Amino acid sequence: DVKVTQSSRYLVKRTGEKVFLECVQDMDHENMFWYRQDPGLGLRLIYFSYDVKMKEKGDIPEGYSVSREKKERFSLILESASTNQTSMYLCASSPTDRGIVSPLHFGNGTRLTVT
Amino acid sequence: AQSVTQLGSHVSVSEGALVLLRCNYSSSVPPYLFWYVQYPNQGLQLLLKYTSAATLVKGINGFEAEFKKSETSFHLTKPSAHMSDAAEYFCAVLRGGRRALTFGSGTRLQVQP
Repeated sequence: DVKVTQSSRYLVKRTGEKVFLECVQDMDHENMFWYRQDPGLGLRLIYFSYDVKMKEKGDIPEGYSVSREKKERFSLILESASTNQTSMYLCASSPTDRGIVSPLHFGNGTRLTVT
Repeated sequence: AQSVTQLGSHVSVSEGALVLLRCNYSSSVPPYLFWYVQYPNQGLQLLLKYTSAATLVKGINGFEAEFKKSETSFHLTKPSAHMSDAAEYFCAVLRGGRRALTFGSGTRLQVQP
């Protein structure tokens, strides 16, 4: 079974702090993703990566950056946390099948509260 | 751009009743469509996917969905609801560039005894 592990289940940070959310997958998947989940808004794509050191902006990249130095690890960075970044963050990974991303495998999420 | 719209943020059914969760898509290319389920305090799990083969797709836990191009719909159904089906359900479409998914806003399913 594919395992996507997010380093923290719950996180509380102060406004202005730099925050790192870590995600590791164990199936050698090319693609990794960060989504945020908010009630009534579903999942919104922040950033994704289809290869080591490669990244693409999703729909809501403002205030975030990412790092993918190794294939199995994809980090989401909040440069200066703000209260409107309080949310559930979901990491996912997937292989590529004939040039098309395959169904995503999700971690259990990190619930971040910024005070 | 590819997008999906889920009609109804909350759906309540009785145990044993039909489950129908609605999803309409917008896509300029033949769409790849997905349904995911999220149980409380868990990540999302794939229920089923449509990738332009059969229009009726069967998934796990007795769920199925039918792709209807004329209606731009991909509704999720289950003939008989079980208490364990209570969860949030998300419809998703493969984005242009085929590298990521765009999700709908979700439908929370409640099953009454």
